[in-house]
Amino acid sequence: AQSVTQLGSHVSVSEGALVLLRCNYSSSVPPYLFWYVQYPNQGLQLLLKYTSAATLVKGINGFEAEFKKSETSFHLTKPSAHMSDAAEYFCAVSGTSYGKLTFGQGTILTVHP
Amino acid sequence: KAGVTQTPRYLIKTRGQQVTLSCSPISGHRSVSWYQQTPGQGLQFLFEYFSETQRNKGNFPGRFSGRQFSNSRSEMNVSTLELGDSALYLCASSLGDRGPANEKLFFGSGTQLSVL
Repeated sequence: AQSVTQLGSHVSVSEGALVLLRCNYSSSVPPYLFWYVQYPNQGLQLLLKYTSAATLVKGINGFEAEFKKSETSFHLTKPSAHMSDAAEYFCAVSGTSYGKLTFGQGTILTVHP
Repeated sequence: KAGVTQTPRYLIKTRGQQVTLSCSPISGHRSVSWYQQTPGQGLQFLFEYFSETQRNKGNFPGRFSGRQFSNSRSEMNVSTLELGDSALYLCASSLGDRGPANEKLFFGSGTQLSVL
Protein backbone atom coordinates (compact mmCIF):
# COMPACT_ATOMS: atom_id res chain seq x y z
CA ALA A 1 0.00 0.00 0.00
CA GLN A 2 1.09 3.55 -0.63
CA SER A 3 0.56 6.71 1.39
CA VAL A 4 1.72 10.29 1.31
CA THR A 5 2.08 12.85 4.09
CA GLN A 6 2.41 16.53 3.38
CA LEU A 7 3.88 18.47 6.26
CA GLY A 8 2.14 21.79 6.70
CA SER A 9 -1.34 22.47 5.41
CA HIS A 10 -0.45 26.14 4.88
CA VAL A 11 2.84 27.72 3.83
CA SER A 12 3.33 31.46 3.49
CA VAL A 13 6.31 33.09 1.78
CA SER A 14 7.24 36.52 0.49
CA GLU A 15 7.56 37.15 -3.21
CA GLY A 16 11.12 36.30 -4.25
CA ALA A 17 11.70 33.94 -1.33
CA LEU A 18 12.44 30.23 -1.49
CA VAL A 19 9.45 27.90 -1.68
CA LEU A 20 9.75 24.56 0.13
CA LEU A 21 6.79 22.19 0.30
CA ARG A 22 7.37 18.94 2.13
CA CYS A 23 6.21 15.47 1.17
CA ASN A 24 7.03 12.10 2.71
CA TYR A 25 5.83 8.83 1.23
CA SER A 26 5.36 5.25 2.23
CA SER A 27 5.34 2.55 -0.40
CA SER A 28 5.74 -1.20 -0.44
CA VAL A 29 6.93 -1.07 -4.06
CA PRO A 30 9.26 1.34 -5.85
CA PRO A 31 7.21 4.52 -5.89
CA TYR A 32 6.27 6.79 -8.72
CA LEU A 33 5.86 10.25 -7.24
CA PHE A 34 4.09 13.33 -8.51
CA TRP A 35 3.46 16.94 -7.62
CA TYR A 36 0.26 18.56 -8.85
CA VAL A 37 -0.96 22.15 -8.48
CA GLN A 38 -4.58 23.26 -8.22
CA TYR A 39 -5.63 26.83 -8.79
CA PRO A 40 -9.01 28.00 -7.44
CA ASN A 41 -11.98 26.49 -9.25
CA GLN A 42 -9.75 24.44 -11.51
CA GLY A 43 -8.58 20.88 -11.87
CA LEU A 44 -5.12 19.54 -11.14
CA GLN A 45 -2.11 20.38 -13.28
CA LEU A 46 0.95 18.14 -13.28
CA LEU A 47 4.09 19.97 -12.13
CA LEU A 48 6.55 17.09 -12.24
CA LYS A 49 6.95 13.34 -11.95
CA TYR A 50 9.62 11.04 -10.53
CA THR A 51 10.08 7.64 -12.11
CA SER A 52 13.61 6.64 -10.92
CA ALA A 53 15.47 8.00 -13.96
CA ALA A 54 16.99 10.82 -11.89
CA THR A 55 16.68 11.84 -8.25
CA LEU A 56 16.38 15.54 -9.07
CA VAL A 57 13.33 16.20 -11.19
CA LYS A 58 12.69 19.49 -12.91
CA GLY A 59 9.16 20.52 -13.64
CA ILE A 60 7.21 23.38 -15.08
CA ASN A 61 7.15 26.98 -13.80
CA GLY A 62 10.61 26.69 -12.24
CA PHE A 63 9.71 23.99 -9.71
CA GLU A 64 11.87 21.00 -8.94
CA ALA A 65 11.79 18.11 -6.49
CA GLU A 66 14.44 15.79 -5.09
CA PHE A 67 13.78 12.13 -4.36
CA LYS A 68 15.59 10.93 -1.22
CA LYS A 69 15.05 7.25 -0.61
CA SER A 70 16.85 7.25 2.74
CA GLU A 71 14.46 9.92 4.01
CA THR A 72 11.43 8.68 2.03
CA SER A 73 10.93 12.27 0.95
CA PHE A 74 10.07 14.12 -2.24
CA HIS A 75 10.08 17.81 -1.32
CA LEU A 76 9.10 20.48 -3.85
CA THR A 77 11.18 23.64 -4.17
CA LYS A 78 11.34 26.83 -6.18
CA PRO A 79 14.17 29.32 -5.69
CA SER A 80 12.07 32.47 -6.03
CA ALA A 81 8.32 32.65 -5.43
CA HIS A 82 6.00 34.60 -7.70
CA MET A 83 2.56 35.86 -6.85
CA SER A 84 1.19 33.53 -9.52
CA ASP A 85 2.47 30.52 -7.54
CA ALA A 86 -0.29 30.97 -4.97
CA ALA A 87 -2.33 27.79 -5.16
CA GLU A 88 -2.81 24.42 -3.48
CA TYR A 89 -0.14 21.80 -4.07
CA PHE A 90 -0.60 18.05 -3.86
CA CYS A 91 1.96 15.31 -3.59
CA ALA A 92 0.87 11.93 -4.91
CA VAL A 93 2.19 8.39 -5.22
CA SER A 94 1.21 5.59 -7.55
CA GLY A 95 2.03 1.93 -7.52
CA THR A 96 1.13 -0.64 -10.09
CA SER A 97 -2.47 0.33 -10.84
CA TYR A 98 -3.46 2.43 -13.79
CA GLY A 99 -5.19 5.68 -12.97
CA LYS A 100 -4.91 5.29 -9.21
CA LEU A 101 -2.96 7.96 -7.40
CA THR A 102 -2.85 8.33 -3.62
CA PHE A 103 -2.76 12.02 -2.75
CA GLY A 104 -1.56 13.90 0.26
CA GLN A 105 -3.88 16.33 2.00
CA GLY A 106 -2.50 19.29 0.14
CA THR A 107 -0.53 22.41 1.07
CA ILE A 108 -1.94 25.85 0.40
CA LEU A 109 0.83 28.23 -0.66
CA THR A 110 0.30 31.93 -0.03
CA VAL A 111 2.70 34.46 -1.56
CA HIS A 112 2.91 37.92 0.00
CA PRO A 113 4.09 40.96 -1.97
CA LYS B 1 -5.48 19.62 -28.58
CA ALA B 2 -8.51 20.04 -26.38
CA GLY B 3 -8.09 19.12 -22.73
CA VAL B 4 -10.27 16.96 -20.53
CA THR B 5 -13.83 18.25 -20.57
CA GLN B 6 -16.27 17.69 -17.74
CA THR B 7 -19.94 18.58 -17.79
CA PRO B 8 -21.83 20.05 -16.14
CA ARG B 9 -19.60 22.43 -14.18
CA TYR B 10 -22.07 22.77 -11.31
CA LEU B 11 -24.96 20.62 -10.10
CA ILE B 12 -27.42 21.00 -7.27
CA LYS B 13 -29.44 17.97 -6.22
CA THR B 14 -31.49 16.89 -3.23
CA ARG B 15 -31.03 13.83 -1.03
CA GLY B 16 -32.30 10.64 -2.57
CA GLN B 17 -31.93 11.77 -6.16
CA GLN B 18 -29.44 10.35 -8.60
CA VAL B 19 -26.94 12.21 -10.75
CA THR B 20 -24.85 11.53 -13.85
CA LEU B 21 -21.59 13.32 -14.59
CA SER B 22 -19.82 13.28 -17.92
CA CYS B 23 -16.14 13.30 -18.91
CA SER B 24 -14.60 13.58 -22.36
CA PRO B 25 -10.91 12.64 -22.38
CA ILE B 26 -8.12 14.10 -24.43
CA SER B 27 -8.24 12.78 -27.98
CA GLY B 28 -6.32 9.51 -28.18
CA HIS B 29 -6.54 8.80 -24.46
CA ARG B 30 -8.29 5.55 -23.64
CA SER B 31 -8.09 5.58 -19.84
CA VAL B 32 -10.43 7.65 -17.70
CA SER B 33 -10.18 7.85 -13.92
CA TRP B 34 -12.57 9.48 -11.47
CA TYR B 35 -11.75 11.17 -8.16
CA GLN B 36 -13.80 12.73 -5.39
CA GLN B 37 -12.38 15.83 -3.68
CA THR B 38 -13.76 17.07 -0.35
CA PRO B 39 -12.27 19.40 2.28
CA GLY B 40 -12.33 16.64 4.88
CA GLN B 41 -11.19 13.57 2.95
CA GLY B 42 -9.12 15.22 0.24
CA LEU B 43 -8.71 13.51 -3.11
CA GLN B 44 -9.92 9.94 -3.25
CA PHE B 45 -9.81 7.52 -6.17
CA LEU B 46 -13.18 6.20 -7.32
CA PHE B 47 -12.46 4.01 -10.35
CA GLU B 48 -10.64 3.75 -13.66
CA TYR B 49 -11.89 2.62 -17.06
CA PHE B 50 -9.98 1.48 -20.10
CA SER B 51 -11.52 0.27 -23.35
CA GLU B 52 -14.99 0.22 -21.79
CA THR B 53 -13.85 -2.00 -18.89
CA GLN B 54 -13.37 -1.06 -15.27
CA ARG B 55 -9.78 -1.96 -14.41
CA ASN B 56 -9.44 -0.49 -10.94
CA LYS B 57 -11.80 0.51 -8.18
CA GLY B 58 -11.47 2.47 -4.97
CA ASN B 59 -13.28 2.01 -1.67
CA PHE B 60 -16.63 3.60 -2.38
CA PRO B 61 -20.10 2.12 -1.92
CA GLY B 62 -22.00 0.58 -4.80
CA ARG B 63 -24.05 3.76 -5.16
CA PHE B 64 -21.10 5.08 -7.14
CA SER B 65 -20.83 3.55 -10.58
CA GLY B 66 -19.42 4.41 -13.92
CA ARG B 67 -19.12 3.36 -17.50
CA GLN B 68 -17.08 4.10 -20.56
CA PHE B 69 -18.21 4.27 -24.15
CA SER B 70 -16.46 3.13 -27.29
CA ASN B 71 -15.25 6.69 -27.97
CA SER B 72 -13.59 6.68 -24.49
CA ARG B 73 -16.03 9.19 -23.04
CA SER B 74 -17.03 8.24 -19.54
CA GLU B 75 -19.95 8.83 -17.23
CA MET B 76 -20.17 8.52 -13.48
CA ASN B 77 -23.45 7.90 -11.71
CA VAL B 78 -24.32 8.37 -8.06
CA SER B 79 -27.64 6.98 -6.92
CA THR B 80 -29.59 7.78 -3.75
CA LEU B 81 -27.58 10.90 -3.04
CA GLU B 82 -26.51 11.68 0.51
CA LEU B 83 -25.41 15.01 1.97
CA GLY B 84 -21.89 13.63 2.25
CA ASP B 85 -21.69 13.17 -1.50
CA SER B 86 -21.30 16.93 -1.90
CA ALA B 87 -17.87 17.28 -3.48
CA LEU B 88 -15.84 18.25 -6.49
CA TYR B 89 -15.69 15.28 -8.84
CA LEU B 90 -12.64 15.23 -11.05
CA CYS B 91 -11.91 13.03 -13.98
CA ALA B 92 -8.50 12.43 -15.50
CA SER B 93 -7.43 10.87 -18.74
CA SER B 94 -4.27 9.14 -19.87
CA LEU B 95 -3.11 6.87 -22.66
CA GLY B 96 -3.66 3.85 -20.44
CA ASP B 97 -1.39 1.36 -22.18
CA ARG B 98 2.21 2.39 -21.42
CA GLY B 99 2.46 0.90 -17.95
CA PRO B 100 1.50 2.80 -14.77
CA ALA B 101 5.05 4.12 -14.41
CA ASN B 102 4.85 5.88 -17.75
CA GLU B 103 1.36 7.30 -17.37
CA LYS B 104 0.60 10.97 -16.89
CA LEU B 105 -2.88 11.89 -15.72
CA PHE B 106 -4.45 15.02 -17.17
CA PHE B 107 -7.31 16.37 -15.10
CA GLY B 108 -10.45 18.22 -16.05
CA SER B 109 -11.80 21.21 -14.12
CA GLY B 110 -14.33 19.06 -12.32
CA THR B 111 -18.03 19.03 -11.57
CA GLN B 112 -19.04 20.67 -8.29
CA LEU B 113 -21.93 18.68 -6.85
CA SER B 114 -24.00 20.08 -4.02
CA VAL B 115 -26.52 17.84 -2.29
CA LEU B 116 -29.20 19.65 -0.29
